Order: sequence, then C-alpha cells, then structure tokens
Amino acid sequence: GESVGLHLPTLSVQEGDNSIINCAYSNSASDYFIWYKQESGKGPQFIIDIRSNMDKRQGQRVTVLLNKTVKHLSLQIAATQPGDSAVYFCAEIEGHHAGNMLTFGGGTRLMVKP
Amino acid sequence: DTEVTQTPKHLVMGMTNKKSLKCEQHMGHRAMYWYKQKAKKPPELMFVYSYEKLSINESVPSRFSPECPNSSLLNLHLHALQPEDSALYLCASSHGGVWTGAYEQYFGPGTRLTVT
Repeated sequence: GESVGLHLPTLSVQEGDNSIINCAYSNSASDYFIWYKQESGKGPQFIIDIRSNMDKRQGQRVTVLLNKTVKHLSLQIAATQPGDSAVYFCAEIEGHHAGNMLTFGGGTRLMVKP
Repeated sequence: DTEVTQTPKHLVMGMTNKKSLKCEQHMGHRAMYWYKQKAKKPPELMFVYSYEKLSINESVPSRFSPECPNSSLLNLHLHALQPEDSALYLCASSHGGVWTGAYEQYFGPGTRLTVT
C-alpha cells in the first residue's frame, strides 16, 4: 500500500518563467534517456530524448541536458505555461534488447501558478 | 496513427473474479509492454513482448497472465487478485530493437483497476 505522507518532489513556478527539472540516474551504462510528462488520469507522454553521445538537445520550448560525469539529466522548459502542469519522469535505457527496458526516475510534480 | 488504446478505462473487480485488460496499437510496433503504476510512483515494468513472444517477465505473480494474440494486440488476464494490486495499468509499444534505433515507448491512457 501507499505510505502515509508520501509525496512527489514539487516545483512551483510562475507562468512565463523558465522551469528546470532535475534527475539523477544510477546506471553509468545507460545510453539513452527520455523525459516523459504525465498529466492526471493519463499515460506518460514523450517529451524529448537524448543519446549518451550528446550533452544537449533542444525541442520546442524544451531542452534536455546530460552530464554523464555526474550522471545527471535536466529538463528545461522555457516560458512555462499552465498546460505544462504535470508530473515529469526521466527514464533511462541500457544497451540493446529485443524489447527496450525503461527504468524510470521517481518523478517531479510541476505546478504552474497563473 | 500514433495512438495506443486501452480498454476498459476503469475496472472494479472482486478477488475471485477473472477479468482481462486489452491494449491495441496500429503503428507497426513489434515490442509491447505492460506497466503497473501506483499513486505518486513511476511506472514499474511487468512484461515485455517482442515479436509476439514474451521476452521479459519482471517476476510478476502468476495471477497476472499476459497474452499477445498478434502484433497489434496485447492482453493482461487477471485472476484472484489482491487489494494491493489496485493500480493504474499502462500499456506501451515501441519499434523495439537496435536495428531501428528507436527506443521511444508510446503509452496508452491506462486502465484504473480497483480490487475489492
């Protein structure tokens, strides 16, 4: 069952500000990373990915940074909007499999204040 | 079509019931997955099918029985569940495999399961 008082780390930002969500991963052999957004009552939605041979990748309003030295991943959202409010998960994949095993991080809740 | 669909959206079942969850994708993906997600937690992998064969079973209890009838469909058969099995069950699919280089998994909306 669920632990009483268990909560997700929460980042609260003002609409229009930039958001930075951080993730520490544990497997130095991971070679592919994904950020997912999960809104209430929905499945995770792909945002952006990055391979281990890169340290930065940009999408529309989002940027992912990868620091393999300290095993750290971050997601930057520019000009945060109310529709960005959700839980954000980082996920990593190691190696090549017939089916790709994603390992998810714990998640961060982003709350956007109007 | 980049959609994974799941039915039903919600399911309430007793501990003696038998029910099934269904998942469908028409993206030509050859890897399909079942995940379990408890509230305020990340998804946890249960099963992986690759080319309609079970390739990974993450030590899931036998009261959960997956089935992949064809490359577009994935079922999860449920029998004699416990209240602690109540969770959101997510299905996902991906191209799968190093030959495509496409690791991205597309998730369905999930089935909210309550075991009474």
